Amino acid sequence: DTAVSQTPKYLVTQMGNDKSIKCEQNLGHDTMYWYKQDSKKFLKIMFSYNNKELIINETVPNRFSPKSPDKAHLNLHINSLELGDSAVYFCASSQDNRGDGYTFGSGTRLTVV
Amino acid sequence: SQQGEEDPQALSIQEGENATMNCSYKTSINNLQWYRQNSGRGLVHLILILSNEREKHSGRLRVTLDTSKKSSSLLITASRAADTASYFCASRSGGSNYKLTFGKGTLLTVNP
Repeated sequence: DTAVSQTPKYLVTQMGNDKSIKCEQNLGHDTMYWYKQDSKKFLKIMFSYNNKELIINETVPNRFSPKSPDKAHLNLHINSLELGDSAVYFCASSQDNRGDGYTFGSGTRLTVV
Repeated sequence: SQQGEEDPQALSIQEGENATMNCSYKTSINNLQWYRQNSGRGLVHLILILSNEREKHSGRLRVTLDTSKKSSSLLITASRAADTASYFCASRSGGSNYKLTFGKGTLLTVNP
């Protein structure tokens, strides 16, 4: 199936731990994104990569580090997790960096306890 | 500044009725997009309207855009229970910053 797939779907971890979320798209898109959706459903962009190059880096704590080994993959590593990091993290892709129509993954619900 | 603020925040209607959701944004845009999010799922792209368009249709969806008022509306006609979801508008600014800025969404409940 053509899609944006992210793993894991659920992640429960203790404060201070380091965790990673992986994302892969098989749509042949050039651009990938990470968004954070808070408890009130507000979506905020975190990062965007176009052909493995970082093009958007919003005001995000440097505990968050994205990595794009190739244009089909965009992973998110989070160090020293805090309670406030609890949210749903969505990966998305678009054909190019104009972003005319995103395809989203199904999300990773991160709970920090 | 936050763009794409939808109203109402929640809307409950009966099957067969029409649902209208509104969205406002703050800065100039290249296009505006609407997405649907079912509970516990990712967002699904519904429709895109360019800044030089005033109205666009796709099946039971009708989107309008008023750039002078920096607002857009999404109309879903003859709603179905399966339309129950959150609906988000997302504005795409022009220039070299192509990020989509999402609003807070409208939770639509269609009662059978």
